[in-house]
Amino acid sequence: AQTVTQSQPEMSVQEAETVTLSCTYDTSESDYYLFWYKQPPSRQMILVIRQEAYKQQNATENRFSVNFQKAAKSFSLKISDSQLGDAAMYFCAYRSAQGGSEKLVFGKGTKLTVNP
Amino acid sequence: GAVVSQHPSRVICKSGTSVKIECRSLDFQATTMFWYRQFPKQSLMLMATSNEGSKATYEQGVEKDKFLINHASLTLSTLTVTSAHPEDSSFYICSPYAGGGTGVGYTFGSGTRLTVV
Repeated sequence: AQTVTQSQPEMSVQEAETVTLSCTYDTSESDYYLFWYKQPPSRQMILVIRQEAYKQQNATENRFSVNFQKAAKSFSLKISDSQLGDAAMYFCAYRSAQGGSEKLVFGKGTKLTVNP
Repeated sequence: GAVVSQHPSRVICKSGTSVKIECRSLDFQATTMFWYRQFPKQSLMLMATSNEGSKATYEQGVEKDKFLINHASLTLSTLTVTSAHPEDSSFYICSPYAGGGTGVGYTFGSGTRLTVV
């Protein structure tokens, strides 16, 4: 079974600075999808960014980018120019690309605090 | 697009009663519905997966007779917590999934905070 590990229970960053959240995963599959979700205090899950394993290019979405290292099974999230609204729980998630395996496997999460 | 409605947002019920949580996909059809449970400061724990018109598949350790899932249509799924007890108090999140080819991907309801007293 696939597992997702987020080794940083909590992180903090100064406003306007850059922070990187770590995520590693364990799988024997070669094709899969990876996601970062944000859960603010409202508890609404919000997709931040996604990466297809077959793509070598790292995904980016405005201030959010990933460092996808397939061989190392690492998928870190970099948040640039951090804003107060970035404060939230961040979950890394894995999904197999195999047909019929659509469920997401979540890591335990990293709580990000943004200091003004 | 991809609007999800989950109700109620909060519910308090007495021990021994049943509670129904409703999840609707308002502008898309969800072929698959995932139901999660989340304890404070913890991650989402998948409880069950259901496909429209089929019986739900429950994760190991989740009591199917306690957590009844109905996915009668492509836009509505319900989770009923039967004979609720204080240990069932938690945050429940639905996640309608429309399939990878639709562009909708994974969506999430806003959650239901259940308190059993």
